[in-house]
Amino acid sequence: GESVGLHLPTLSVQEGDNSIINCAYSNSASDYFIWYKQESGKGPQFIIDIRSNMDKRQGQRVTVLLNKTVKHLSLQIAATQPGDSAVYFCAEILANQAGTALIFGKGTTLSVSS
Amino acid sequence: NAGVTQTPKFQVLKTGQSMTLQCAQDMNHEYMSWYRQDPGMGLRLIHYSVGAGITDQGEVPNGYNVSRSTTEDFPLRLLSAAPSQTSVYFCASSFYRADTQYFGPGTRLTVL
Repeated sequence: GESVGLHLPTLSVQEGDNSIINCAYSNSASDYFIWYKQESGKGPQFIIDIRSNMDKRQGQRVTVLLNKTVKHLSLQIAATQPGDSAVYFCAEILANQAGTALIFGKGTTLSVSS
Repeated sequence: NAGVTQTPKFQVLKTGQSMTLQCAQDMNHEYMSWYRQDPGMGLRLIHYSVGAGITDQGEVPNGYNVSRSTTEDFPLRLLSAAPSQTSVYFCASSFYRADTQYFGPGTRLTVL
């Protein structure tokens, strides 16, 4: 079936490095994508989103890139800090004749060492 | 705003017991949903509601019931708990379905 997935289940970086978390999606009809951060023992927290008519969007220390040609989404975190350690999920919103669905990937665990 | 709140934070049940997980939001969101999160499985949609009085099944609805009598509240009922329902449950809400969802802190449920 169609789903959102992440390339790597874990990513380890040093404090101060830039982190890149990747996500591949399979449904070209998806028109809205969201990145969530989930810290241990907490619910997912919205980080940044992007619509399919854009290829880049920037927030505070985070950038999301969307490549519709290869159906690839990435989250870039600049100057990664220990507080960025968490599980990161990408999610896509797919609207079709059957309705609208928010589909989550399985997550990438980011570990930041000092 | 408190956002999305869930109670209880932790719960232990015996097989066959029933209980209700509470979820409330104060953002006047129309869309509310329940997910379960299991290791290696990501978030799976149990039930959702697009407004008061309207509910529908998600990906894994068996063993759960929901109702939506008000915009604010969306309780999840376990009819007869089973060990397979041991999980972390998250409630989420958004203005409408095709929108960013905001999550509650979760309820960790263990069924013995």
